[in-house]
Amino acid sequence: DQQVKQNSPSLSVQEGRISILNCDYTNSMFDYFLWYKKYPAEGPTFLISISSIKDKNEDGRFTVFLNKSAKHLSLHIVPSQPGDSAVYFCAATDNYGQNFVFGPGTRLSVLP
Amino acid sequence: DAGITQSPRHKVTETGTPVTLRCHQTENHRYMYWYRQDPGHGLRLIHYSYGVKDTDKGEVSDGYSVSRSKTEDFLLTLESATSSQTSVYFCASTSPTGPSLGKLFFGSGTQLSVL
Repeated sequence: DQQVKQNSPSLSVQEGRISILNCDYTNSMFDYFLWYKKYPAEGPTFLISISSIKDKNEDGRFTVFLNKSAKHLSLHIVPSQPGDSAVYFCAATDNYGQNFVFGPGTRLSVLP
Repeated sequence: DAGITQSPRHKVTETGTPVTLRCHQTENHRYMYWYRQDPGHGLRLIHYSYGVKDTDKGEVSDGYSVSRSKTEDFLLTLESATSSQTSVYFCASTSPTGPSLGKLFFGSGTQLSVL
C-alpha cells in the first residue's frame, strides 16, 4: 500500500497561472516532507521542503503547504513558467532523513 | 550540486546474466540508496546503506544485492537479470548532519534494459 500518494498523474497549466500539485500520506510518523523535480534523462533534484512543525514554507515562486490533520500537502508554483514542465515527486521521511518514501509523481506541463 | 556519478548510464543485457551498477559520491555522505523508477510507481527503494558494510533491504529488494566497501562507493548487483528488472536506476546519498540533513541528492540514473 502506497504511503505517499499523488493522485493526479498529470497536470496542464497555462504559462503565468498557478500550478497546484497535491500529495497525501498515510503514515503519521512522517515528520519532514520534500518536493523533487525531475527532467527527462536526469536525476531528481531537490526543490523545497517543510517540517511538520510548520504549515507553510516559501521559496521564490514555490510554496509548500502542509495540513497535518488531513495528512495532505500541496506545492504551489506562481507564476508557472514553461521551464517548470517536469515530473514532480512528493517525498516523506521520518527522523529527518533516514528513510525517504516517494509518491508516484505528477507530470506538469506548462503551456506557453 | 552533490557529486554523485553513476555508471554505466545505459546498459542492455540478456536475461539470466549478472549485472553490476556503480555509484560513486564525492560528498562524504554516510547514507546511500538505490532506487528504481517505473511508470505509475515513482521511485521505489531497493537497498540502502547507513555506512561502510552496513546495508539493508528496501521495498523491492528481491533479485538485488548491494555492497559498500568504501564510504564513496555503493554497488548494486542484479544476480540474474530478468525482464521485470528493466527500469531506470537511481543512486542517492545524504548525510545525517550538516547542510545535507533531510535532503537526498541523486545521480543521473542508469537506464537498464533486460532482453
